[in-house]
Amino acid sequence: EVQLVESGGGLIQPGGSLRLSCAASGFTFSSNSMSWVRQAPGKGLEWVSVIYTGGTTYYADSVKGRFTISRDNSKNTLYLQMNSLRAEDTAVYYCANEWLQFWGQGTLVTVSS
Amino acid sequence: DIQMTQSPSSLSASVGDRVTITCRASQGIRNDLGWYQQKPGKAPKRLIYAASSLQSGVPSRFGGSGSGTEFTLTISSLQPEDFATYYCLQYNSPSWTFGQGTKVEIK
Repeated sequence: EVQLVESGGGLIQPGGSLRLSCAASGFTFSSNSMSWVRQAPGKGLEWVSVIYTGGTTYYADSVKGRFTISRDNSKNTLYLQMNSLRAEDTAVYYCANEWLQFWGQGTLVTVSS
Repeated sequence: DIQMTQSPSSLSASVGDRVTITCRASQGIRNDLGWYQQKPGKAPKRLIYAASSLQSGVPSRFGGSGSGTEFTLTISSLQPEDFATYYCLQYNSPSWTFGQGTKVEIK
């Protein structure tokens, strides 16, 4: 059974940093592209970033230069380093595997003073 | 960036109705499109990939069609468990984009 479990969310002040993790199991992690998607309260889904198996990464314009996606295939874990956080980054952050087939339950990030 | 215009933004329908949701891409995306269902407080669930391929385990009343710039999700006979919000996603360009969502409500 595929499982994706996000962690690392919480309350952070504007300008702060946070690192999200996503622990994967039930599939061959190293063979899958992995993505982050977020959803602000009461809003739609917003794609954030993807990392392919070869390490190539892409970002939404809204987070480019502030967020960094990475992966550790030895730990079956996906990361999202979030710097210079803004109020508009407040959202539930989901990780998802290849082409967003399976999703985690999400972790809430609240950016507020 | 590729923009996805999804319509309608909401609709009211009855159990047993046929429902159609459309996504238009601002440029051609071949068939690099998926459809997702989300219920309140839950993670999205993929229904369709590659525009028309049904995800394993998804009821056959869900169907996808289209290629290029225009895509459709059809629910042939709406069931009570289908009341939810639906999103399209294009993954043709390096930066992926979702449609704005369609909320399907009970009439």
